[in-house]
Amino acid sequence: KQEVTQIPAALSVPEGENLVLNCSFTDSAIYNLQWFRQDPGKGLTSLLLIQSSQREQTSGRLNASLDKSSGRSTLYIAASQPGDSATYLCAVRPGGSRLTFGEGTQLTVNP
Amino acid sequence: EAGVAQSPRYKIIEKRQSVAFWCNPISGHATLYWYQQILGQGPKLLIQFQNNGVVDDSQLPKDRFSAERLKGVDSTLKIQPAKLEDSAVYLCASSSPARYAGEQYFGPGTRLTVT
Repeated sequence: KQEVTQIPAALSVPEGENLVLNCSFTDSAIYNLQWFRQDPGKGLTSLLLIQSSQREQTSGRLNASLDKSSGRSTLYIAASQPGDSATYLCAVRPGGSRLTFGEGTQLTVNP
Repeated sequence: EAGVAQSPRYKIIEKRQSVAFWCNPISGHATLYWYQQILGQGPKLLIQFQNNGVVDDSQLPKDRFSAERLKGVDSTLKIQPAKLEDSAVYLCASSSPARYAGEQYFGPGTRLTVT
């Protein structure tokens, strides 16, 4: 059974810092991995999707890496801003369509 | 393109009552998902439809939850009777195999409170 763990559960940083969010999964047989952002009371917004054959994806100040053999992914946020404050969720997809989510990292960026 | 639409956004009911949620996926998306997200946890898949057929409902509590997707477009999720532990956000998502890696797009969710 696939299990996804995200560390840390919560993170508070001053504005401008570069930061890394971690995601680990127990079964390396995945099709892809997605990082989502969730604002309070809102749905999920897809940030980055990494195919199993890829090592990383970049979008603006965000960079996600994938090491499938070790069951790890990281989300790097450069020059953090208060608007980045949200919960970040990692989800892996095996051969089917079902996503298995971690419990998220709650990020607070202080002005 | 318009996103995934859900209604209502909020619902408060008493235990043992029934409730229904509605979802309209992105136009052309054949696959539709219902997730349950309990406070402080990641979403958990309840049911997945491909067009109007069920692909995966292994985590749906079938004694009280039901879902349908008539005509392969809109979907409704029903809970009858509701329990206190059903308090959660119910998220609908859709995807298309034709789009990048079957990426899933989520609606804003319906927050259910059972008292």
